Amino acid sequence: DTAVSQTPKYLVTQMGNDKSIKCEQNLGHDTMYWYKQDSKKFLKIMFSYNNKELIINETVPNRFSPKSPDKAHLNLHINSLELGDSAVYFCASSQETGAGEAQYFGPGTRLTVL
Amino acid sequence: GQSLEQPSEVTAVEGAIVQINCTYQTSGFYGLSWYQQHDGGAPTFLSYNALDGLEETGRFSSFLSRSDSYGYLLLQELQMKDSASYFCAVRDDTNAGKSTFGDGTTLTVKP
Repeated sequence: DTAVSQTPKYLVTQMGNDKSIKCEQNLGHDTMYWYKQDSKKFLKIMFSYNNKELIINETVPNRFSPKSPDKAHLNLHINSLELGDSAVYFCASSQETGAGEAQYFGPGTRLTVL
Repeated sequence: GQSLEQPSEVTAVEGAIVQINCTYQTSGFYGLSWYQQHDGGAPTFLSYNALDGLEETGRFSSFLSRSDSYGYLLLQELQMKDSASYFCAVRDDTNAGKSTFGDGTTLTVKP
């Protein structure tokens, strides 16, 4: 039983294309996140949603648009892909109980822009 | 804003003990977490400290000193499978609970 799943696992595409990554969690968590991890393994938060509401929106180009149809799903759409978008994108979720926070990460989507 | 510092690389031998330090500067602080990530894998949660002191979970322990803005992850009885990247992360109490991750420490365990 996968807790946080992402599709696709690998994505290879040309510059200028538009692509989407999907994420689903079956943990019943209220909060979901998108992170970008670059080739140096730096892990940076991009967005966070709590019960379908956007609560964190870091300095991310507006070519990136998250969508949360319900609290178990958080998708990421990227327009006009650029070479610098190549990275591993991780979805994560957590239950915001306040005491002890654990974020559960999906397996990642390795995006390569050619 | 948030900034975290941790060593980029640590090397140790099997069976040894290693400590990975993390210092942070934050505008708001809720707690310090540690994550492990193997090559090609996803980060996995190890521990969380909101209060000063030591938290022990098996071979791994995590320590926090809020007054010093400092924490560490202690790994005992190192095994080859502990070779991985370890990230500290600070949770912000002022920005919707955002977690900011350090740049990670690559631990190499040698036989």
